[in-house]
Amino acid sequence: DGGITQSPKYLFRKEGQNVTLSCEQNLNHDAMYWYRQDPGQGLRLIYYSQIVNDFQKGDIAEGYSVSREKKESFPLTVTSAQKNPTAFYLCASSVARDMNEQFFGPGTRLTVL
Amino acid sequence: AQSVTQPDIHITVSEGASLELRCNYSYGATPYLFWYVQSPGQGLQLLLKYFSGDTLVQGIKGFEAEFKRSQSSFNLRKPSVHWSDAAEYFCAVGGLGGGADGLTFGKGTHLIIQP
Repeated sequence: DGGITQSPKYLFRKEGQNVTLSCEQNLNHDAMYWYRQDPGQGLRLIYYSQIVNDFQKGDIAEGYSVSREKKESFPLTVTSAQKNPTAFYLCASSVARDMNEQFFGPGTRLTVL
Repeated sequence: AQSVTQPDIHITVSEGASLELRCNYSYGATPYLFWYVQSPGQGLQLLLKYFSGDTLVQGIKGFEAEFKRSQSSFNLRKPSVHWSDAAEYFCAVGGLGGGADGLTFGKGTHLIIQP
């Protein structure tokens, strides 16, 4: 079945540590996205990539980094510079042309201890 | 900059009753509009989308939405809700390229279904 997988489902991190969230898709989509969700805040865009080896900052990129070395993969690293990293992180992908929806993964819940 | 407002944080509806969730957007050109639904601890599922043409859009699970340019609204409706409709609902707008540079989401409406 085609879809988007995110791992792990739950992640715990100590303050000061970097952590990487995985996102993989087998939909052959060109574009991939990372969103952060906080209670009562909706989703906010962290980074997006419309093509391999290229990515752009979203609205809240500070304290995060990404890479896009393969079409199928778009990992997100939450660095120690992110002041409030506890949140639900959602990865999405789309065909990256007009009039196409974004498909979402199941999410990773990150908790900083 | 584009923005989305969902005025109702929580809505409670009796099972079998009709439903309308409100969404207002701000965008300088013709928007690309979406409604997504999220169950607790899960990802988002697309209910429906509007890009152009007929302003009344049909989606999955019996949902529909109407685009009203004059009111900058894209309200979601369902004639008769089921207990399984209890979830978080998000309205989103995409800009140039249909949102290829990311979507802007409202803060969501939490739907509670009373038996």
